Amino acid sequence: DAKTTQPTSMDCAEGRAANLPCNHSTISGNEYVYWYRQIHSQGPQYIIHGLKNNETNEMASLIITEDRKSSTLILPHATLRDTAVYYCIVARGVNSGGSNYKLTFGKGTLLTVNP
Amino acid sequence: NAGVTQTPKFQVLKTGQSMTLQCAQDMNHEYMSWYRQDPGMGLRLIHYSVGAGITDQGEVPNGYNVSRSTTEDFPLRLLSAAPSQTSVYFCASTSLQGFHETQYFGPGTRLLVL
Repeated sequence: DAKTTQPTSMDCAEGRAANLPCNHSTISGNEYVYWYRQIHSQGPQYIIHGLKNNETNEMASLIITEDRKSSTLILPHATLRDTAVYYCIVARGVNSGGSNYKLTFGKGTLLTVNP
Repeated sequence: NAGVTQTPKFQVLKTGQSMTLQCAQDMNHEYMSWYRQDPGMGLRLIHYSVGAGITDQGEVPNGYNVSRSTTEDFPLRLLSAAPSQTSVYFCASTSLQGFHETQYFGPGTRLLVL
């Protein structure tokens, strides 16, 4: 699976959009971009994933560049409860011959939402 | 639907003791995994299972055993606890609904080995 690069930490004001970048320049054609987050002392939580099109759900939006070498997770109106470590992970799905049931979590980005 | 449950939440062991960390899921997921997380680090995969009766090693399997006799349960056994196994342990199960493959994590077990 391709490696990812994320900033160590970011700050965001409450109510503003939080834009978390991720570089994955070695991503291959059948690898998805997954985002998880981990609130302090809790288990990681799935946020969103995408292949090449932009995706949006009730939690966030995912913008993937046309060359797929980078992506941005957008939390449109950050709240204090969004303070967490955010993990960007690239992996192939099981249905694509991959093994995304055993993900590789790096150190992620610590997002701190300030009042 | 309880999702992924783990017991106990906290445990203190003495070096050399053995114990079993329990993990159960009620979502009928085929795939289950165990991770450990040390301070300031990401999660590292210990063992995983692709179905009942099938297990395999992850990145850091030494000192741990697993078994998968049912779809629901995936216990992790520490054979002889060592201080280096002090960590937070997370169990996860994976949904394979079409291409929407995501992991669901339990709340974790915090283990201290003295």
